[in-house]
Amino acid sequence: SQQGEEDPQALSIQEGENATMNCSYKTSINNLQWYRQNSGRGLVHLILIRSNEREKHSGRLRVTLDTSKKSSSLLITASRAADTASYFCATVSMYSGGGADGLTFGKGTHLIIQP
Amino acid sequence: EPEVTQTPSHQVTQMGQEVILRCVPISNHLYFYWYRQILGQKVEFLVSFYNNEISEKSEIFDDQFSVERPDGSNFTLKIRSTKLEDSAMYFCASIIEQGGGIQYFGAGTRLSVL
Repeated sequence: SQQGEEDPQALSIQEGENATMNCSYKTSINNLQWYRQNSGRGLVHLILIRSNEREKHSGRLRVTLDTSKKSSSLLITASRAADTASYFCATVSMYSGGGADGLTFGKGTHLIIQP
Repeated sequence: EPEVTQTPSHQVTQMGQEVILRCVPISNHLYFYWYRQILGQKVEFLVSFYNNEISEKSEIFDDQFSVERPDGSNFTLKIRSTKLEDSAMYFCASIIEQGGGIQYFGAGTRLSVL
């Protein structure tokens, strides 16, 4: 398996429900980030959690990080139709040379919110 | 709000032709990146650029690829002789400072090699 793998690959829920997506990674990280991509569009940064943090909130988003299990989860509460998109986790290696290193992305979870 | 701008949004080219994809990063950002996303697959890192030179490149970034910051605002990706498998969405990103922070992505250029 590869660095930054999300599950499930696809998730369909009803509007108003909560959506949870998981991400696993293999190497030690500096931080982990979640991005959203609407169909055929660019990537929009959602939230960044550093390796020394365990949980972070931003509006309806809640991210957790468990470095011992090398995993993270993204929770979207009270989902809306506009949340329909693909969600990717991306990691920055602990051994990166500062900002020069690129992000390592997972394959993403395609989230569909049924109205 | 400042944003990363990419042009063109869609580029169609014949196999073997050279293409240049253009990006204007956010003006006070210092690090620049190119990523690729083949249809239905994950986003892959190609190259990072800082202080007018390549900082890091992936295995994908072979001799067919080159990057340049020709005029202090544009950041370009050149593919010298395109192959069918180069067909993908290419994203430019920039970041203000080192430390692995938030990267701001452009909307992408869809490259179709025929």
